[in-house]
Amino acid sequence: DAGVTQSPTHLIKTRGQQVTLRCSPKSGHDTVSWYQQALGQGPQFIFQYYEEEERQRGNFPDRFSGHQFPNYSSELNVNALLLGDSALYLCASSPESTYEQYFGPGTRLTVT
Amino acid sequence: AQTVTQSQPEMSVQEAETVTLSCTYDTSESDYYLFWYKQPPSRQMILVIRQEAYKQQNATENRFSVNFQKAAKSFSLKISDSQLGDAAMYFCAYDRDDKIIFGKGTRLHILP
Repeated sequence: DAGVTQSPTHLIKTRGQQVTLRCSPKSGHDTVSWYQQALGQGPQFIFQYYEEEERQRGNFPDRFSGHQFPNYSSELNVNALLLGDSALYLCASSPESTYEQYFGPGTRLTVT
Repeated sequence: AQTVTQSQPEMSVQEAETVTLSCTYDTSESDYYLFWYKQPPSRQMILVIRQEAYKQQNATENRFSVNFQKAAKSFSLKISDSQLGDAAMYFCAYDRDDKIIFGKGTRLHILP
């Protein structure tokens, strides 16, 4: 079992551009959550996908959007990138209940 | 709104000694989950221990145990027989309705 995987590992973008990050959940998991972790901070919840729909959303602007595919993998899209979007983006997958949440290694996004 | 507070940004402990990391949280709910996560330099967020709020018995996982005081909204982590591999950021987290709220973390140094 490969666990939760994320791609790419690192990414450098220019302010104003758009970015897509990808996540493959652990085998048997159908729920995917995304978090943003700024340097020196704890992760902040962005949103959660279940059955291809956004089920919960944190306090993030509409520039942050996502998608879940029938195979439960997920994408996080960020439009009109700002310098403040530079962070580690973590994906976590879980079965029906989040108390069994497993995290991926993250994607480090740098916006210049 | 739920919040999680970790008042110790950094701590150090001698190898083989015991250390306790503090965490307080704020919620009006009666049923929820609490977690401690470990994030080593590899960035992978690893679940250390979890506690269900309706259970009065403190959770234990090998060298890791918690002191859960529901009325005081306190959830501390005790690491016994500290090992060099325990060096990491430790995050206290709260889960209610499928959304995990993290504290800002405590960086733990293990002194050989």
